[in-house]
Amino acid sequence: KQEVTQIPAALSVPEGENLVLNCSFTDSAIYNLQWFRQDPGKGLTSLLLIQSSQREQTSGRLNASLDKSSGRSTLYIAASQPGDSATYLCAVSAGGGNKLTFGTGTQLKVEL
Amino acid sequence: GAVVSQHPSRVICKSGTSVKIECRSLDFQATTMFWYRQFPKQSLMLMATSNEGSKATYEQGVEKDKFLINHASLTLSTLTVTSAHPEDSSFYICSAESPGTGILSNQPQHFGDGTRLSIL
Repeated sequence: KQEVTQIPAALSVPEGENLVLNCSFTDSAIYNLQWFRQDPGKGLTSLLLIQSSQREQTSGRLNASLDKSSGRSTLYIAASQPGDSATYLCAVSAGGGNKLTFGTGTQLKVEL
Repeated sequence: GAVVSQHPSRVICKSGTSVKIECRSLDFQATTMFWYRQFPKQSLMLMATSNEGSKATYEQGVEKDKFLINHASLTLSTLTVTSAHPEDSSFYICSAESPGTGILSNQPQHFGDGTRLSIL
């Protein structure tokens, strides 16, 4: 059974700092990995999707990497801003049916 | 593009009431939609996969008679929580899979804004 873990569970940083969020998964046979953002009481916004054949994806200040063999992914946020404060979830898609297994999330707070 | 609308955003009702939640893909057709449940400070757990024109596939431990899913068109899936009780109170989120080029293409999922269900 696939298990996805995210470290740290919570993170507080001053504005402008670069930061890294970690995601690990137990079964490396995945199709893709996605990073999502969830604001309190809201749904999910997709940030980046990395196919299993890819090593990284970039969008603006965000960069996600994937090391499938070791079961790890990182989300790098450059020059953090208070508007980045949210919970960040990673999810892996594996097996038929495109079922997503979500991680436990990292709650990020960027302070002024 | 790829907007998913979920309605209602919040429901408060008495125990024993049945509640219907709608999930619509607004600008694309979705053969497959997914329903998730999220308890406070926990991650999303997949409840069921909704396939247009066929029966939903439920995850282990999810009661299909309790959580009725109907996917009658390529843009609409509904989740009905039947005879809801306080333990059913949760945040329910749907997603719709982008059209793909093959059966196992595992296309990105686009999520609705969720429905906060509170049973008194």
